[in-house]
Order: sequence, then C-alpha cells, then structure tokens
Amino acid sequence: DAKTTQPNSMESNEEEPVHLPCNHSTISGTDYIHWYRQLPSQGPEYVIHGLTSNVNNRMASLAIAEDRKSSTLILHRATLRDAAVYYCILRDRGGSRDDKIIFGKGTRLHILP
Amino acid sequence: KAGVTQTPRYLIKTRGQQVTLSCSPISGHRSVSWYQQTPGQGLQFLFEYFSETQRNKGNFPGRFSGRQFSNSRSEMNVSTLELGDSALYLCASSDQGNGYTFGSGTRLTVV
Repeated sequence: DAKTTQPNSMESNEEEPVHLPCNHSTISGTDYIHWYRQLPSQGPEYVIHGLTSNVNNRMASLAIAEDRKSSTLILHRATLRDAAVYYCILRDRGGSRDDKIIFGKGTRLHILP
Repeated sequence: KAGVTQTPRYLIKTRGQQVTLSCSPISGHRSVSWYQQTPGQGLQFLFEYFSETQRNKGNFPGRFSGRQFSNSRSEMNVSTLELGDSALYLCASSDQGNGYTFGSGTRLTVV
C-alpha cells in the first residue's frame, strides 16, 4: 500500500504559486521523498526528491517538515502545462534491494486560466 | 540520450490470446520496472528486474510474467488475456538511487 496521503484534487490560478501537500507519517529514516507528475496521455515524469533538507530544481521546490512526516511540493508560478496528476512517493534507499515505488492516487491539479 | 522506449504504442487483442510488450531502458540503467495503469486502480506495480533477475513482484496473477535480457531490455507477457487486462502498461528504468524515467507506455485493449 502507498505510504503517503494527498488531497484528491486542487485548483490554482495560472501564474500563481501552488503548494501541493503530502503526509507520510510512517516515514522511516532511510526513506527519500520523491515527487512525480503525470501529464495527460504520458507516463509519469520525475519532478524532485529529497531526504531532510529543502530542495530546489528548475521544475519545483520541495519543502520537508522538520519531523519529515509531511512535505510540500511548490510550483512557483503555475502554467497551464502544469495541469497533471502529482504523486508523492517514499523510496527506501537504506541499502534495501526492494527498489520499487508504490503509487497512491495522487493529486489532480487543475490550472485555471 | 534516448529515453525509455516502449513498443508497440497501441495493441488490440482478443480474449484468450497472449501478448508480449517490450521496453528498452535508458542506456546504462540496469533496473526496469513495469506498471499497469487503469482508471479504476491507478498505477499498480507489476514487477521489477535488475541485472536479469526479478527482484520484486506485485499482486498480479501468474498470467503476468516478465524477463530481462543481458542488455537490460525487458519484456512482459500476459497470457490468456481477459477484458480487465485492458490498460496502459508503463515501463520505467532507473540507475539506482536516482529518479525513475518512464516510457510513454503501451495501451492494450482486449476485446
């Protein structure tokens, strides 16, 4: 089972920031937090990942709570092309050979022009 | 570099037939995973291969099988197709520790 919970859907206006929350209260010390998104008619696309510190890349920022039980994906200026399903996933990197990711239902992000 | 390539993109089969789907990972990636995506169940993990060995398997019947070749290319096979097997089948490759790169998928329709 997925170990994360996300809202089913969210709406945002174009050119405004978007904060997508994710709860992962059972996260272990070796779990990385990954975010993927899936645009219509495409496979999922890697967005960002982090362990403890906040992370930034050209696509988004990831803010991780101090206790690591929640995180927030931040799109700084949403465009219509950001409309997608966003998945928050935990991936164990503690040396385990169990290198699979389990997707939850994700958050469907609607961008209003 | 080239992304993950899945063939064919679309496929129509009849019930009872079997099908083989192919996935070519990113060059140098040794881990290949397969997922089934349906509107009702979302993305479900099928299996994962690393260096020609199946390391993990999801909760799918034995009709679903796969393999990985020495060049890391992978195939999955579904035998005795059922209507409920209609789905988008996605392949993803990884170089361990980094993000997964997904292909565009094979859309299978069983009639």
